[in-house]
Amino acid sequence: GAVVSQHPSRVICKSGTSVKIECRSLDFQATTMFWYRQFPKQSLMLMATSNEGSKATYEQGVEKDKFLINHASLTLSTLTVTSAHPEDSSFYICSARVGTGKKLFFGSGTQLSVL
Amino acid sequence: KNQVEQSPQSLIILEGKNCTLQCNYTVSPFSNLRWYKQDTGRGPVSLTIMTFSENTKSNGRYTATLDADTKQSSLHITASQLSDSASYICVVTQYNTNAGKSTFGDGTTLTVKP
Repeated sequence: GAVVSQHPSRVICKSGTSVKIECRSLDFQATTMFWYRQFPKQSLMLMATSNEGSKATYEQGVEKDKFLINHASLTLSTLTVTSAHPEDSSFYICSARVGTGKKLFFGSGTQLSVL
Repeated sequence: KNQVEQSPQSLIILEGKNCTLQCNYTVSPFSNLRWYKQDTGRGPVSLTIMTFSENTKSNGRYTATLDADTKQSSLHITASQLSDSASYICVVTQYNTNAGKSTFGDGTTLTVKP
């Protein structure tokens, strides 16, 4: 099946620094990628939807200036958490979809810990 | 408001036993319903996907059912194994000609004990 690679799997950073998370579709072109965050024992919460070559669409309550999303190619989307704070500590997951297909392919997630 | 409710919130069963997880939704118009398995600290992995016309879909020991009239789905796990311990998430996607929005359930945490 299709593979979505997410990197890094775990990152620990100091408060105030920026962290970049990469999401790559390895064997298909992802026209749409999604970014989620997940708190312990809770389900995924959609943060934003990004389409290749256009600006991301953010969900209500998600700060676009804090969570920068770039989808520069059909195989790569990045999420940058700027000026990270301890409350940004969470599990971040990306998913990718081909066109308007039904299947979503998920990355393996990134555990962000901000000290 | 589109909602997906899963039950039970958590479940503990003995290895080898069967179990059924429930998913009720109010998403409309309906496009498809997917069940995912998510191991702790990992991304979700797709188990089944069903459209409006499909009532049952199997994937090994996992069998999903869909009743689009009552807007209910179930995931039945047969002969459970220790590796089945995970969170199971129901995701319902709204129909849209461009790209429907998906609504996630809160998941059911399954623990299989020896």
